[in-house]
Amino acid sequence: GNSVTQMEGPVTLSEEAFLTINCTYTATGYPSLFWYVQYPGEGLQLLLKATKADDKGSNKGFEATYRKETTSFHLEKGSVQVSDSAVYFCALSDRGGGADGLTFGKGTHLIIQP
Amino acid sequence: GAVVSQHPSRVICKSGTSVKIECRSLDFQATTMFWYRQFPKKSLMLMATSNEGSKATYEQGVEKDKFLINHASLTLSTLTVTSAHPEDSSFYICSARAGLGWTYEQYFGPGTRLTVT
Repeated sequence: GNSVTQMEGPVTLSEEAFLTINCTYTATGYPSLFWYVQYPGEGLQLLLKATKADDKGSNKGFEATYRKETTSFHLEKGSVQVSDSAVYFCALSDRGGGADGLTFGKGTHLIIQP
Repeated sequence: GAVVSQHPSRVICKSGTSVKIECRSLDFQATTMFWYRQFPKKSLMLMATSNEGSKATYEQGVEKDKFLINHASLTLSTLTVTSAHPEDSSFYICSARAGLGWTYEQYFGPGTRLTVT
């Protein structure tokens, strides 16, 4: 079956530091890949996605590239802010976009200190 | 736009009773909604796919007679936990699917914390 593995936190960084959250996956076929963010007290929000190999998803300064050869979708941001503190989930879907139920990683709690 | 609500946000019930959780898409119609369960420090696990006007599709290992899902309209899906037990205590999250084909996107509700005493 499908699975997603991501680094577990908490990850604590100083403001303006470089961020990488690793995510690798196991899936049959060609899944779509997602990063969701959950701010305190709120529901999950789609941060970015990629639907095929070598696609780069980007949003709000975050980027992730769909690497089929390494089955990875690592999340990066060049300079984090305190407001980026949240829980980040890597996820995949068998079919295009978000057509099917998602398989999630365990989530990475990111804490940005001023 | 694309807001999904859940009600209640928190519920405490006694063992053996049933509890209903509602998931609503507030500004769009959703023929398909999903129900997830999140354990502490665990990922969200897909429980079932709820399709408007038809029976839900349950993931392997999820008891369909215990977790009753009804998707009676294009904006409302309900999850009823029947004869709840303490091990059913968890955080339940729904999502509603919008879009077509490769533009599908799931919008998530804020979740419902269920505690069974």
